[in-house]
Order: sequence, then structure tokens, then C-alpha cells
Amino acid sequence: AQSVTQLGSHVSVSEGALVLLRCNYSSSVPPYLFWYVQYPNQGLQLLLKYTTGATLVKGINGFEAEFKKSETSFHLTKPSAHMSDAAEYFCAVTRNSGNTPLVFGKGTRLSVIA
Amino acid sequence: GAVVSQHPSRVICKSGTSVKIECRSLDFQATTMFWYRQFPKQSLMLMATSNEGSKATYEQGVEKDKFLINHASLTLSTLTVTSAHPEDSSFYICSARVLAGAGNEQFFGPGTRLTVL
Repeated sequence: AQSVTQLGSHVSVSEGALVLLRCNYSSSVPPYLFWYVQYPNQGLQLLLKYTTGATLVKGINGFEAEFKKSETSFHLTKPSAHMSDAAEYFCAVTRNSGNTPLVFGKGTRLSVIA
Repeated sequence: GAVVSQHPSRVICKSGTSVKIECRSLDFQATTMFWYRQFPKQSLMLMATSNEGSKATYEQGVEKDKFLINHASLTLSTLTVTSAHPEDSSFYICSARVLAGAGNEQFFGPGTRLTVL
């Protein structure tokens, strides 16, 4: 079975500060990892994903994440927060095998303070 | 990029009525679609996996007779909430899966807000 733990249900940063959203996963097989962003009353938008290859993954809007197998982590970072980054962020795991669905973490709400 | 639409975006209905929600992949074929439910300030909970041309696979605790799923074509899946009650009020989101070679990525619809009075 696969699972995801997102540490911190709410993270607050100042505009221009570093954003760090934590995600740890559990998987018995090589994982595929994703970060999604959700704005109020909207669906999910893919920020970035890791499948194979380079462990540092760059996504949209200046976000990046690093897959660390030894730490079973896939933390999301952005060097400088913008007001428009305020949203809900979900980490998810799946595997490349059949019709396996995504398993989501509980989400982290990011607030950006002016 | 792959686009998934949902219709309607918002629906209000009376208790006891049935509501149909459509999920369409607009520019790709999706052999598999997933239906999720999201309560306020919570994560997405998988309800069922919908495979084109076959019966949906429901997650434990989800009533298949209440949440009817049909995946009649490679671009359309529907979720019908039968005899809706206020506790069915929620945000319903579908996703469509791109083929495995693309990294098992799923593209999400914008969601449907269901309110049952």
C-alpha cells in the first residue's frame, strides 16, 4: 500500500520568503510522485512530477521538488513566495502499474503575507 | 495540454432527486477516469475507478447503488448521485488518466459543487 504524509496543515510565509512544503511517502515499489495546487472552488493543477531520472524536478510557477529515496521525501520549494501562491497544495503518490489511482496527502494550505 | 471538463460546475437540488455529473476528456482519450469527493478543507477521497466499457470499481464504503458511474466512451464518464440527501453535499472532482507511458499522470476536471437542500 502507498501513503503520503504532509507535515503541517497550514504554512504561512512572508512575500519574498522561501516556501517549503513537506511531503513524505510510503511505497513498497518505486513511486511516482506529484505535487498539485488547488485554488478555491477549483480542480487540481499539476505543479510537477517525479517518475524516473533526475531527482530534482522543476515545475511551473518557479516551484521545484527533490526526490530523496533515502529519506522517502518529496518536499516542495520555491525560493521567493508570491501573493498568488496562496492556495492548497497536495502531494500524491502512485505507481506505474495498471489503473492505480493517486493517493493524496491531506494537503497544506499556504498563506502568503504581504 | 490535456484538458478535462466537468458539467455542471455547480448544482443545487432538493433532497430525494438524482443529479448527473459529466466528466469529459476534451483532447485525449481516457481509458480510465477516477471520481473523487472532497469535503471542505479536506483532501480528495477516491470514490471509484471508471474503466471504459466495463463496470466501475468502487472504494470500500462507497455505495455503488447510490453513486452510479458510467464510462460509455473514451472521452466521457458520468457520475449520478441517486436520491441525493444533504449529507451528499460535497465537491466532486473527476480525473482522467493518460496512458502509462506518460508517467501515469492524471488530469483533473474543475470540480462540481453539489448542494442538496
